[in-house]
Amino acid sequence: RKEVEQDPGPFNVPEGATVAFNCTYSNSASQSFFWYRQDCRKEPKLLMSVYSSGNEDGRFTAQLNRASQYISLLIRDSKLSDSATYLCVVNRAKDSNYQLIWGAGTKLIIKP
Amino acid sequence: DGGITQSPKYLFRKEGQNVTLSCEQNLNHDAMYWYRQDPGQGLRLIYYSQIVNDFQKGDIAEGYSVSREKKESFPLTVTSAQKNPTAFYLCASRDRSIYGYTFGSGTRLTVV
Repeated sequence: RKEVEQDPGPFNVPEGATVAFNCTYSNSASQSFFWYRQDCRKEPKLLMSVYSSGNEDGRFTAQLNRASQYISLLIRDSKLSDSATYLCVVNRAKDSNYQLIWGAGTKLIIKP
Repeated sequence: DGGITQSPKYLFRKEGQNVTLSCEQNLNHDAMYWYRQDPGQGLRLIYYSQIVNDFQKGDIAEGYSVSREKKESFPLTVTSAQKNPTAFYLCASRDRSIYGYTFGSGTRLTVV
């Protein structure tokens, strides 16, 4: 079982719709959590960090459920430019350092 | 502008050859990382370095080597011992905050 799991999709969603992704992680010692966005054949870029109390950035809302060990990302009023792969990332201690553990990503396709 | 530069963008390697991927940053970040990304998989850590003249193996270090002679530079050599080197290679650096990862634009390596 992978340490960070995501539904690979693709999610095909009409423009303007709301879409939600979930991500589960298996290591309860995980410290911090992030969503990255990756466009085709490009490098990942940080979309938002995920805080315990939940946080919002414009049309994007991230939630963390530590008890159930899952993270969610909600995109409202989706735009064509939201089409990308969304990577769930968990930061956890390993030896005396922290290490990012990456999910394989969920592909989102917004259709006009 | 500060950032990370990876070169080349595309690289073709013959069987049995060693090749070196360049990664240079002018962000004054102490920590630097090399990741590999394969289709349908999350990023996997190859090597990382927290400080000049020191580096550690990641999860998939076999067949790779690195050096960190300067703070700005963290080149990755893909040796002939790496049996399946075709992949997208990403270099990243991090400042002292956990959230501060910056990625280069990647090198796509293909074995011909």
